[in-house]
Amino acid sequence: DAGITQSPRHKVTETGTPVTLRCHQTENHRYMYWYRQDPGHGLRLIHYSYGVKDTDKGEVSDGYSVSRSKTEDFLLTLESATSSQTSVYFCAISESRLAGPTDTQYFGPGTRLTVL
Amino acid sequence: GQNIDQPTEMTATEGAIVQINCTYQTSGFNGLFWYQQHAGEAPTFLSYNVLDGLEEKGRFSSFLSRSKGYSYLLLKELQMKDSASYLCAVRESGGYNKLIFGAGTRLAVHP
Repeated sequence: DAGITQSPRHKVTETGTPVTLRCHQTENHRYMYWYRQDPGHGLRLIHYSYGVKDTDKGEVSDGYSVSRSKTEDFLLTLESATSSQTSVYFCAISESRLAGPTDTQYFGPGTRLTVL
Repeated sequence: GQNIDQPTEMTATEGAIVQINCTYQTSGFNGLFWYQQHAGEAPTFLSYNVLDGLEEKGRFSSFLSRSKGYSYLLLKELQMKDSASYLCAVRESGGYNKLIFGAGTRLAVHP
């Protein structure tokens, strides 16, 4: 299994508070991704990173920001949490963009976030 | 636009064969993945197709037809532990290894 951890695993917070989720990898993979998963929508890409300090927006980036100051850590921040951001958040990593089967994305265990 | 369709739910009997279909319409295509996700857990990689045809891996096989925008995952000799959601994902062209996911198919295997 790929070495990916996410913290916290569960969090309950109130509307308007800032929240930061952390993804940590020990695989030295270049690419990292943040997804949210909601019933009926599947996994949707929030932001992704293709190197230290290199990030870009995904499909559902509004209300989220990210940072990657080290290869192993990718942080997702909700500046002011809203109830619509209640979801399960998954981090994923992949090794390169050589576009082969070995470039599958490997997922962390997920963080269940509830915004009251 | 980007659209990936899968059936929402399926049921099957232990020991049987089930086929889960996926159709896609995406602006680019650079491979199709199937993932398995048990309730409360992370998705795990099952299979990958980039060329037309069938890829077999033990009890699981995956088929791709690029001209039809169609794939299926075939699960043979079903076991109770195969009860899970199965996610179809298309890799976009253009680098960065970005995936677009369908909503997933929840499979329930009954004795």
